[in-house]
Formats: sequence, C-alpha cells, structure tokens
Amino acid sequence: NAGVTQTPKFRVLKTGQSMTLLCAQDMNHEYMYWYRQDPGMGLRLIHYSVGEGTTAKGEVPDGYNVSRLKKQNFLLGLESAAPSQTSVYFCASSYGFRYGYTFGSGTRLTVV
Amino acid sequence: GENVEQHPSTLSVQEGDSAVIKCTYSDSASNYFPWYKQELGKGPQLIIDIRSNVGEKKDQRIAVTLNKTAKHFSLHITETQPEDSAVYFCAAVLGTGTASKLTFGTGTRLQVTL
Repeated sequence: NAGVTQTPKFRVLKTGQSMTLLCAQDMNHEYMYWYRQDPGMGLRLIHYSVGEGTTAKGEVPDGYNVSRLKKQNFLLGLESAAPSQTSVYFCASSYGFRYGYTFGSGTRLTVV
Repeated sequence: GENVEQHPSTLSVQEGDSAVIKCTYSDSASNYFPWYKQELGKGPQLIIDIRSNVGEKKDQRIAVTLNKTAKHFSLHITETQPEDSAVYFCAAVLGTGTASKLTFGTGTRLQVTL
C-alpha cells in the first residue's frame, strides 16, 4: 500500500539546470496533480491531469512542463531552473476534484 | 478572483481545550470542502470532508460545519492532544465543469501546549 511515491526527496540545482520530478501512484486514480508549497502561501497548483495522456495548467504553470504517458505516473519537468522555483513540491492523486486527495511526501528543491 | 481565506494563521491552545479554524470561500457553486492535516516533513493528509448537502459532519474529536448561505465552513477539534499539533488546510472546489479546481487556504499552524 505505497499510495503516492515521489522521487527524489531532496535536490539542489544550479540556476539554468534542468530536472524531472517523478510521481507514481498505485491506487488507480484518474486525476493527478503537482503543487508547490511556499511559506505563507499554502499549496498552489502547478499542473494537473484528468487521465492518461492529458495535462492542463493550474494556477502557477510558468517554467514547468508535465507529462502523463502512463496512468500511474505524472512527471514534472523544470527546463531551466530559477531561484524562484526553490520550494517543496507535492504530487497528489484522486478519483476526481470532489474526492479526497492522497499526497506524496514531497520533494524539497533548492535552486542556487 | 475565486479564493479560499483561512483564519487564524496560527493558533495555540492548551491540551484538552477546543480549537476552531474558519474558512470562507468566494464561489457560491462550491459543493465539496475537505480539510487536510500536515505534520512536519510530511505531505498533507485528508482528515475530514463535507459536501454541500449536509451542514455538519463529525468523526470522533473532529467536526466540520458548513454554512452555504454565508459561504463559510469551520473545523472543530475537541479535547486537543499534543499529536494534534500540525498545520491544517481547508479547501474548496471552485469553478464549474471542466474549469473546477480544488483551491486550498493558506493554512493554520496549531500548537497544542501541555
């Protein structure tokens, strides 16, 4: 019963580098999400997917790209990291918007 | 724009006392209101949710109340214990149809002191 698994847990990038955050869920959820969490700003939606092969922009999509090639996986990419992308990133999944979300344990990303 | 406001941002209570966290939302069409608890170093975890066809829901020491007319909902924790110390987030589904999204409040840090 792994739930939602995020890798890596920690990462330090230099400005301009790229990386991919991986998210995997084993609950057969259709919907998957990427959030960022910054102090005092709660959870802000970056991108989301309502099913395999679909993606959509959330509240703060600039500088990020996503892919959902398989139902169980949702990848978040940073093409050219900036210090403003220093944050804790959470992946989540659910049966739909009006159902409880299951969150991963987060990835702490620092861009220097 | 559509948002969810949460108050207070920090709350300190003594063990055994009650804690109340309040949220307001802007979209009168909202019909799903979950609450999440986030412990240090972990992801948020759903603790209770309520849908717009009910006004109150309880689960042991926690309860959520909903006032759709006033567009606010609250989390009540009774007989607080040290393990209740965490950050709590309210959320509401804002928007309609394919534009609907779950929007979170900014969080309340609850500290239960001995």
